[in-house]
Amino acid sequence: RKEVEQDPGPFNVPEGATVAFNCTYSNSASQSFFWYRQDCRKEPKLLMSVYSSGNEDGRFTAQLNRASQYISLLIRDSKLSDSATYLCVVNPNTDKLIFGTGTRLQVFP
Amino acid sequence: DVKVTQSSRYLVKRTGEKVFLECVQDMDHENMFWYRQDPGLGLRLIYFSYDVKMKEKGDIPEGYSVSREKKERFSLILESASTNQTSMYLCASEGLAGESLEQFFGPGTRLTVL
Repeated sequence: RKEVEQDPGPFNVPEGATVAFNCTYSNSASQSFFWYRQDCRKEPKLLMSVYSSGNEDGRFTAQLNRASQYISLLIRDSKLSDSATYLCVVNPNTDKLIFGTGTRLQVFP
Repeated sequence: DVKVTQSSRYLVKRTGEKVFLECVQDMDHENMFWYRQDPGLGLRLIYFSYDVKMKEKGDIPEGYSVSREKKERFSLILESASTNQTSMYLCASEGLAGESLEQFFGPGTRLTVL
């Protein structure tokens, strides 16, 4: 079983739609969780950290479910500029981050 | 803003050549990382370093070495390049962002080994 698993997509959604991605992790001792965004042919950049209580940043909401060992990212009112690959990232209580392979989102007009 | 730079965006080398990939960060971060990114495999950690002259193996160190002579510079070395090392190489520097650590990535070097 992979340490971090994501549906690769692509998720094709119209502008204005709400879309959600899930990511599962295998190490129950994991302490830190993040969503990174990677545009085509660009480097990954931190989108948001995921806290136990969940957190929201504008149209983006991230949640953590420790019991089921998954994190989610919800994007409301999708924009064309949201088209990218979203990487789920977990720190399994070590010195390293574990990156998922990413979920590709394509928002169309 | 944190800036992480990598010496080349695109590089083409021949099998058996020695290859140097340079990474420089300007935020005085102690932690630096080298990854490779391949379709369907995501980012895989090659080596990382917590301080000058310190290095730790990541998940796929075979065929690579690193050098950290100065805090701001972390170099990845392919002693004898092979075709299976054709990949996108990403360097990252790690520092605090709010309450958690964030990795800041360089723009990447797309290496092709012929």
